[in-house]
Amino acid sequence: KNQVEQSPQSLIILEGKNCTLQCNYTVSPFSNLRWYKQDTGRGPVSLTIMTFSENTKSNGRYTATLDADTKQSSLHITASQLSDSASYICVVHEVNFGNEKLTFGTGTRLTIIP
Amino acid sequence: EAQVTQNPRYLITVTGKKLTVTCSQNMNHEYMSWYRQDPGLGLRQIYYSMNVEVTDKGDVPEGYKVSRKEKRNFPLILESPSPNQTSLYFCASSFLAGGHEIPYEQYFGPGTRLTVT
Repeated sequence: KNQVEQSPQSLIILEGKNCTLQCNYTVSPFSNLRWYKQDTGRGPVSLTIMTFSENTKSNGRYTATLDADTKQSSLHITASQLSDSASYICVVHEVNFGNEKLTFGTGTRLTIIP
Repeated sequence: EAQVTQNPRYLITVTGKKLTVTCSQNMNHEYMSWYRQDPGLGLRQIYYSMNVEVTDKGDVPEGYKVSRKEKRNFPLILESPSPNQTSLYFCASSFLAGGHEIPYEQYFGPGTRLTVT
């Protein structure tokens, strides 16, 4: 079982609408959680990085939230645009007795339709 | 322009024929890493390097080799490719946040789609 679970696997919404993507993790202890956007055929691009002490972080129309108690994060996209069509990947940075590791979720594929 | 470049972008080869995928970054980053991305599995780390002449295994290193002779280059070598190495490969680079072994923010290359028949 993947230690970073994302939902939904895929999502289709109309242009202009808002949406929220979910990331649940079991990795512990953790240092930070990251959201990446990956356009089809391209490498991932960082959207936000949140440490365990941060609850929310925004990057333009993207707002990430983090609840370290319930081990849940969400990425909210406001007023979606066609260019938001991409996969969104949640990544957790684990720190355990000096060993550090990044664990990647399998992503949510978001499609914006006009 | 700050970037990570990979070559080739697409490669079709046959089982057992040695190949190298190059990766180069122009941002003077200490940390470089190779990942493979397969459907339903997410990105998995193959090898990483924290500086010149310092490399270490990631989660799925079997069948791969790397070298870091210069700071800007981090080639991925498949000595004897097999069909299960058919995948999408990404190189990434980053500065290292103080005191950490993990990069704080990674910059990814455009990817190399490899097919081994």
